[in-house]
Amino acid sequence: GESVGLHLPTLSVQEGDNSIINCAYSNSASDYFIWYKQESGKGPQFIIDIRSNMDKRQGQRVTVLLNKTVKHLSLQIAATQPGDSAVYFCAENTQNTGNQFYFGTGTSLTVIP
Amino acid sequence: NAGVTQTPKFRILKIGQSMTLQCAQDMNHNYMYWYRQDPGMGLKLIYYSVGAGITDKGEVPNGYNVSRSTTEDFPLRLELAAPSQTSVYFCASSPPRDRGSPLHFGNGTRLTVT
Repeated sequence: GESVGLHLPTLSVQEGDNSIINCAYSNSASDYFIWYKQESGKGPQFIIDIRSNMDKRQGQRVTVLLNKTVKHLSLQIAATQPGDSAVYFCAENTQNTGNQFYFGTGTSLTVIP
Repeated sequence: NAGVTQTPKFRILKIGQSMTLQCAQDMNHNYMYWYRQDPGMGLKLIYYSVGAGITDKGEVPNGYNVSRSTTEDFPLRLELAAPSQTSVYFCASSPPRDRGSPLHFGNGTRLTVT
């Protein structure tokens, strides 16, 4: 089966600092990756995605980096705010799996005011 | 658009009871999914569907059944509830992958089996 894992299950950062959340995947055929944010009591919310033909993609205050050589994905959050406190999941997908997504365990981000 | 709607939000079952978790989406998405999330863990795929009348097993299908009679609805059935099925269940939907296809999630059903 798929293996999507996260480094550092918990992360605490000071408000205003940048946050980096990492994710490793094992399937070299994976070609589409998504970061989700999950707040307590809610379903995961889409943050940003990246396809394997890209190394970097930027959104509003977030950047995703993809290193296919070492099968590593990271999410960078700039100027972290208290509202960013949540659990962050990476998910990966391979085109020949019928749009099935496999999720990592998650990293809990706590922003310290 | 309401997005993905799940009912009920909470449920307590006794061992051996059955229930259906409801999921509906109003985005005309072809793909729908059921995931379960155990405490401190990621999401595990139970079943998915690529369109009305078509369903497939995911990673952890045992103890569950699904049906997809319409594009909008994708109910998940537990026939003989077991304590191991205590979890939070999330339904999701997406358009086909070639149209940009992040999953859209509902807010979950928290199920306890005692």
